[in-house]
Amino acid sequence: KNQVEQSPQSLIILEGKNCTLQCNYTVSPFSNLRWYKQDTGRGPVSLTIMTFSENTKSNGRYTATLDADTKQSSLHITASQLSDSASYICVVTRTGANNLFFGTGTRLTVIP
Amino acid sequence: DAGVIQSPRHEVTEMGQEVTLRCKPISGHNSLFWYRQTMMRGLELLIYFNNNVPIDDSGMPEDRFSAKMPNASFSTLKIQPSEPRDSAVYFCASTIGLADYNEQFFGPGTRLTVL
Repeated sequence: KNQVEQSPQSLIILEGKNCTLQCNYTVSPFSNLRWYKQDTGRGPVSLTIMTFSENTKSNGRYTATLDADTKQSSLHITASQLSDSASYICVVTRTGANNLFFGTGTRLTVIP
Repeated sequence: DAGVIQSPRHEVTEMGQEVTLRCKPISGHNSLFWYRQTMMRGLELLIYFNNNVPIDDSGMPEDRFSAKMPNASFSTLKIQPSEPRDSAVYFCASTIGLADYNEQFFGPGTRLTVL
């Protein structure tokens, strides 16, 4: 069964601290994995996308990693800011069809 | 440059009423997607179009849901009759083509509450 699981469900961190969000998937055959950031009351916005051959991708303070063998990805946020407070959604696309599988997200709250 | 536009942003209706959600994709994008988001289930793909033609509607929950795309710049998602369990945020997204790698751009969503 094609699934995407994210952990933790929610996370509270102090401003300036780092954090790591996890995504495990069973989607096959794998095409790519994308991390989205969704601010409250807005639609998701893509942060990074990784294909099978990529194991690290950065976007500013956001760094995503992918281990295609273990089917795990992580999103690391460095020196968190209040504006990082949002939900982060892991989305895995299956090859051969526009078939997207969504995690339920991690709700991150950054406090001063 | 305008992004994906959705209307209304909020809709409150009573059970049994018809609800119509509207979406204008980004100009030049020829693929359009409708999603539903709830706390329990996260984001779910309902249906998507390519060049105004429905390609996959397997995510549409039941016959009460229907979607149309009469032209390249407009799509509707209709629920008739609406039920309280339809309460959710409905997103429209658009992109160019259907390649797996293409980024979908999401609208701000319509928050639907069915009483």
